[in-house]
Amino acid sequence: GESVGLHLPTLSVQEGDNSIINCAYSNSASDYFIWYKQESGKGPQFIIDIRSNMDKRQGQRVTVLLNKTVKHLSLQIAATQPGDSAVYFCAERGWSNTGKLIFGQGTTLQVKP
Amino acid sequence: GAVVSQHPSRVICKSGTSVKIECRSLDFQATTMFWYRQFPKKSLMLMATSNEGSKATYEQGVEKDKFLINHASLTLSTLTVTSAHPEDSSFYICSAVDRPDNYGYTFGSGTRLTVV
Repeated sequence: GESVGLHLPTLSVQEGDNSIINCAYSNSASDYFIWYKQESGKGPQFIIDIRSNMDKRQGQRVTVLLNKTVKHLSLQIAATQPGDSAVYFCAERGWSNTGKLIFGQGTTLQVKP
Repeated sequence: GAVVSQHPSRVICKSGTSVKIECRSLDFQATTMFWYRQFPKKSLMLMATSNEGSKATYEQGVEKDKFLINHASLTLSTLTVTSAHPEDSSFYICSAVDRPDNYGYTFGSGTRLTVV
C-alpha cells in the first residue's frame, strides 16, 4: 500500500538554529503534500503545503522542499524557537478523487534553550 | 479561515456502551470528511472517508459495525463507537474539505476517548 515515512523519530536542536525535518513518500502519483504540527492532546495544525508541480514553497520561517525524483519532502524551520517544539507530520494526497490524506510516522522536534 | 468543531473533546465511558463524536464544519460546506485514529506517540491512521449523503468508505481493517459513520448534512459527520471496549480508547480526529480535489483540509481538535 501507499506509505509516507519520516527518516528521524526525534530531532533535537538548539534554540536559534535551523531545523530540517525529512519525509519520504512512496506514491509517485501524489499531487499534494502538507506539513502539520501537532502539540500534545491537540489536532494537527497546518504549517505549509506544496503541490506536485512545485519544488519549493516558503512561508514565515518555514520552507518546504519537494524532490519528486527521489520522492522526498523536507520542512525547514529557520531560527527555531521553543514554541516550535512539537511533533511534525508530513501528509500526502495520492488520490485526488477521494481526497484521502495519508500521514507519515512523525518527527518529534525538541528545542533546547 | 475554515473551522472544524469536534465535540466532545474528552469522554469517558463504560465498557459496552456507545459513544458518539461529532464533527462540524462551521463556515464552509464539507462534501467530504475524514476520520482518523491516533495512538500515543503514533501517527494518524485514516479510518474512513465520509461523503455527504452516501455510505462511508472504510479503510482496510477498520470494523464498520464498530465504528459507525454518518454524514447526513454538508456540515456534520458523526462517528459512533459502538459497544466500546478498553482497546477502543484512543484519540479520534476528524478532518473536512469542501471538495476532495481541493486543497484546504481543516482538522478538528480531537476527542480523547477512554473506555473503562
